[in-house]
Amino acid sequence: QVQLKESGPGLVQPSQTLSLTCTVSGFSLMDYSVHWVRQPPGKGLEWMGRMKYDGDTYYNSALKSRLSISRDTSKSQVFLKMNSLQTEDTAIYYCTRGGAYWGQGTLVTVSS
Amino acid sequence: IQLTQSPSLLSASVGDRVTLSCKGSQNINNYLAWYQQKLGEAPKLLIYKTNSLQTGIPSRFSGSGSGTDYTLTISSLHSEDLATYYCYQYNNGWTFGGGTKLELK
Repeated sequence: QVQLKESGPGLVQPSQTLSLTCTVSGFSLMDYSVHWVRQPPGKGLEWMGRMKYDGDTYYNSALKSRLSISRDTSKSQVFLKMNSLQTEDTAIYYCTRGGAYWGQGTLVTVSS
Repeated sequence: IQLTQSPSLLSASVGDRVTLSCKGSQNINNYLAWYQQKLGEAPKLLIYKTNSLQTGIPSRFSGSGSGTDYTLTISSLHSEDLATYYCYQYNNGWTFGGGTKLELK
């Protein structure tokens, strides 16, 4: 069955770079796009970016200068990297396939 | 495209008919989805392409709308429907609305 799972550090220091991995199973990254979405504690959802099935990427314009999404199709993994982290980047980070399948989310706290 | 949901907080009773609104800053061309999110859980897709019910979602949920204005209706509120609801457009980029929190009156 389709599954997605996010992994990465739970704590990141301010000004540092966040690296997250979304490991998928039950489908091929060459057939489906994967999106990243985040949610600050107690707040709403924010779409961050997309890795399309053909390898094309598209980013939220508000994050574009800091964000990079890549993939390794052989490992069924999609990667998110975001630099210059600030406290307002503290959030649960989700990966999702088409909005119908979601990972459990991973909480990232930005703090010294 | 920006999405504005109203109201931000809605109090209702079990059995009520509930209507949530989502308005886009420009034409969404029916590429509008609705999500339900309960505390501590990932969002769940309810409706896609304005009015298509996702597999496994109860038929008391329905969607409608066109152009810039869209609606999610729950025909008879169940206690398990208490959650926050988000609309989401995928016509021009991807954007979430700010959410409507549905609570028990």
